[in-house]
Amino acid sequence: DAGITQSPRHKVTETGTPVTLRCHQTENHRYMYWYRQDPGHGLRLIHYSYGVKDTDKGEVSDGYSVSRSKTEDFLLTLESATSSQTSVYFCAISESTGTGASTDTQYFGPGTRLTVL
Amino acid sequence: QKEVEQNSGPLSVPEGAIASLNCTYSDRGSQSFFWYRQYSGKSPELIMFIYSNGDKEDGRFTAQLNKASQYVSLLIRDSQPSDSATYLCAGRGATGGFKTIFGAGTRLFVKA
Repeated sequence: DAGITQSPRHKVTETGTPVTLRCHQTENHRYMYWYRQDPGHGLRLIHYSYGVKDTDKGEVSDGYSVSRSKTEDFLLTLESATSSQTSVYFCAISESTGTGASTDTQYFGPGTRLTVL
Repeated sequence: QKEVEQNSGPLSVPEGAIASLNCTYSDRGSQSFFWYRQYSGKSPELIMFIYSNGDKEDGRFTAQLNKASQYVSLLIRDSQPSDSATYLCAGRGATGGFKTIFGAGTRLFVKA
């Protein structure tokens, strides 16, 4: 299994509070991703990183920010949580992107279930 | 909007049968396709990837790709109850920063 951990695994918070989710990898992969998964929508990309301090937006980035100060850590922050951000959040990693299917493969962490009341 | 479409199911097959899961994609520039299995409450895990037209076999699993028809499928032979899960199809394009687009998944039930 790819060495990916996420913390916390479960969190309940209140509307308007800030929340930070952490993804940690031990694979030294360059690319890291944050997805959310909701019923009927599948996995939707929030933000991704292609190196330390290099990040870009995905399709559902509003209300989220990210940071990557070390290769192994990718943080997702909800500045002011809303009920619409209740979801399961997955971190993923890949060695590369666009160079070949094997190294482009994304491997997923165990997920964080976030509930915003 | 680049999309990957899957029938949500549930697809129900008897134990020992062949399960056929299908996926279509809208981005003709998509180059690589991935099938993931996701058990309830767990994270997606890779089954296999395919990037050439035709079939690719790995054990009981066969992925099929037809780029002309923009169609990807996954066949599971000798289906087992432990194969009951949601199967996600994903495509990686040549544009848009090589992002991977995921389908919403097909739920499969294998009846013992």
